Amino acid sequence: DAGITQSPRHKVTETGTPVTLRCHQTENHRYMYWYRQDPGHGLRLIHYSYGVKDTDKGEVSDGYSVSRSKTEDFLLTLESATSSQTSVYFCAIGDRTGLSGNTIYFGEGSWLTVV
Amino acid sequence: QQQVKQSPQSLIVQKGGISIINCAYENTAFDYFPWYQQFPGKGPALLIAIRPDVSEKKEGRFTISFNKSAKQFSLHIMDSQPGDSATYFCAASNGGSQGNLIFGKGTKLSVKP
Repeated sequence: DAGITQSPRHKVTETGTPVTLRCHQTENHRYMYWYRQDPGHGLRLIHYSYGVKDTDKGEVSDGYSVSRSKTEDFLLTLESATSSQTSVYFCAIGDRTGLSGNTIYFGEGSWLTVV
Repeated sequence: QQQVKQSPQSLIVQKGGISIINCAYENTAFDYFPWYQQFPGKGPALLIAIRPDVSEKKEGRFTISFNKSAKQFSLHIMDSQPGDSATYFCAASNGGSQGNLIFGKGTKLSVKP
C-alpha cells in the first residue's frame, strides 16, 4: 500500500446528518484527491488539493466540501448526507514529478451508506 | 472533450486466453495513459502506463498498445489467469496544472479456469 489510511472504512449514517471522511498519508505527496466509485460510473473526482489550504472542485463536487490544514491530512465532509451519496469513497495521492508525473495511488476505500 | 470511453463493460475469457480492453479519448492534449487494476474490496492499483512517444509498452503478460492518430489505447493480457479477474480502468491526463486523471468506467474481467 502507498502509505494512505482512510477512516472510517465503513459507516452507516442517516439522511441529513454530517459526515467527515479522513485521509492520512505518510508519503509527503503534494496532491491529494477524493473520488467516489459507483456502478456504471467508474471513478469520479469530487475534490482535490494541490497543497495545504489549496483545494479545487472536481467533476462531482456538489454536496461535498474538503479541507487540508496539514500536508498529510485531507478531509471530505458531507454537510447533510443524502441517499445519493451512498458510495465507496477513495482517497488518492500523487506528486506529479518525474516521468510518471500524473500517477496517483489509491487508499483502500471508505464504504458509506446513507439510510 | 474530457471523456475517456472504455469497452467492453464486462469480459469473460478462458484461462490461457488473451484479454483485450479498449479505450478511446478525445482530448489531444492528453499525454499520460495509465491502466489500473482493482480487486473486490480494494482500491485501484497502477498496473502499467504509457506516454504517446511510444506505440507499445510491455510488462510481463500485460501490454499497452497506443494509436495516437486514432486516439485509442488498449490493454492486452496474455495467458490470462483466474488471478487476473478484477476490474480494470483506463485513464488519461495531460501534464498541465489541470492534469487530473480522467477515468474510463471500467471493465470487469472474469477469467474462467
